Amino acid sequence: QSVLTQPPSVSAAPRQKVTISCSGSGSNIGNNYVSWYQHVPGTAPKLLIYDNNERPSGIPDRFSGSKSGTSATLGITGLQTGDEADYYCGTWDSSLRAYVFGTGTQVTVL
Amino acid sequence: QVHLVQSGAEVKKPGASVRVSCKASGYIFTNFGISWVRQAPGQGLEWMGWISTYNGDTKYTQKFRDRLTMTTDTSTSTVYMELRSLRSDDTAVYYCARPYRGSISMCFDPWGQGTLVTVSS
Repeated sequence: QSVLTQPPSVSAAPRQKVTISCSGSGSNIGNNYVSWYQHVPGTAPKLLIYDNNERPSGIPDRFSGSKSGTSATLGITGLQTGDEADYYCGTWDSSLRAYVFGTGTQVTVL
Repeated sequence: QVHLVQSGAEVKKPGASVRVSCKASGYIFTNFGISWVRQAPGQGLEWMGWISTYNGDTKYTQKFRDRLTMTTDTSTSTVYMELRSLRSDDTAVYYCARPYRGSISMCFDPWGQGTLVTVSS
């Protein structure tokens, strides 16, 4: 079981907005940077957000990240059918001395 | 362009070992370590450990410490992941991943294409 908890699924209509939460603790999110990944099954995961709220080049500004205390949030605006995927948060856990991923959230575009 | 290319799918029997390779190109190999991440069917992503391509130092999670070995070959810019004493619950897609260059924290990009390891009698 992961130490980072995400909702199993979220959904919204095209062009709408979704947010995905990632809840952790002081040993992980509370004291380390958070990253977010998009994973379409059968393909390699893609880095969407790093250092809590930074986007790699090529990632549209429809994707945003934030962190407060021991929780982080990924926002996706202007939802598109191509955004259907699984999304994972990730961070270092200082107690486990390991990188940990969230439980994953499946995004569905209605 | 930075690429990580992994070896092909494997089918192994319980108790056997598997070795998956990850060949890097497009950057100075020894400047970045490589992590291995796996995803079992219906499960999430799981970080297994990391190897320094500079000096071969490794860090494995407690779960895999007794069965996992990562090695590096600088002459071919290739990292290897060997998992021993395979069980059915080791059936998964295994990914190698490099730290993202622009980050001050630990995160991964790019990733290899994934290698399916199936453990079945």
